Amino acid sequence: DAGVIQSPRHEVTEMGQEVTLRCKPISGHDYLFWYRQTMMRGLELLIYFNNNVPIDDSGMPEDRFSAKMPNASFSTLKIQPSEPRDSAVYFCASSFASDTQYFGPGTRLTVL
Amino acid sequence: AQSVTQPDIHITVSEGASLELRCNYSYGATPYLFWYVQSPGQGLQLLLKYFSGDTLVQGIKGFEAEFKRSQSSFNLRKPSVHWSDAAEYFCAGGGNTGKLIFGQGTTLQVKP
Repeated sequence: DAGVIQSPRHEVTEMGQEVTLRCKPISGHDYLFWYRQTMMRGLELLIYFNNNVPIDDSGMPEDRFSAKMPNASFSTLKIQPSEPRDSAVYFCASSFASDTQYFGPGTRLTVL
Repeated sequence: AQSVTQPDIHITVSEGASLELRCNYSYGATPYLFWYVQSPGQGLQLLLKYFSGDTLVQGIKGFEAEFKRSQSSFNLRKPSVHWSDAAEYFCAGGGNTGKLIFGQGTTLQVKP
């Protein structure tokens, strides 16, 4: 199995631009999670899905952030418009039921 | 409220010495417990997990952890640390919701 796949691995953009991060979970997993990691705030859960349905988005910082999961094999996290404080590493993870979460390699986002 | 606490932000040990990383949890019921490791620039990798049964759990890379209900702890141990063990370690707890609560992480530095 290829594991959780995230793209792009690195993204550099300018303030005000739209950013879209992509995730392909492990086949057969029914949960998908989006996390953000920064030095200041550590690892934060942004949103998670169960069977493609958003369950808890209380960690989404504000309306500039949105996430979708149109099918079991694909999810996106979008930031529009982006701001410098959004610079972080964004991780996607997937799991089957309440078992182990498997993490992708992350997308390092830099907003100038 | 549910929480996972790692009291030590940073630990330094000499190569070959033993290691214990502390993790305390606060949950209404016995949670599922996990230890993950993150090397620089990488995603999180599962070291071991506890769901039920034997309270001493063996993991990869020679790590083990012991669940102690009376102390609400799930400490990670390794008898002899290698330089390649230098990384950040995260303890996490979860339940039937699929969602994990992560500790703040402990950075391990290994002295030659």
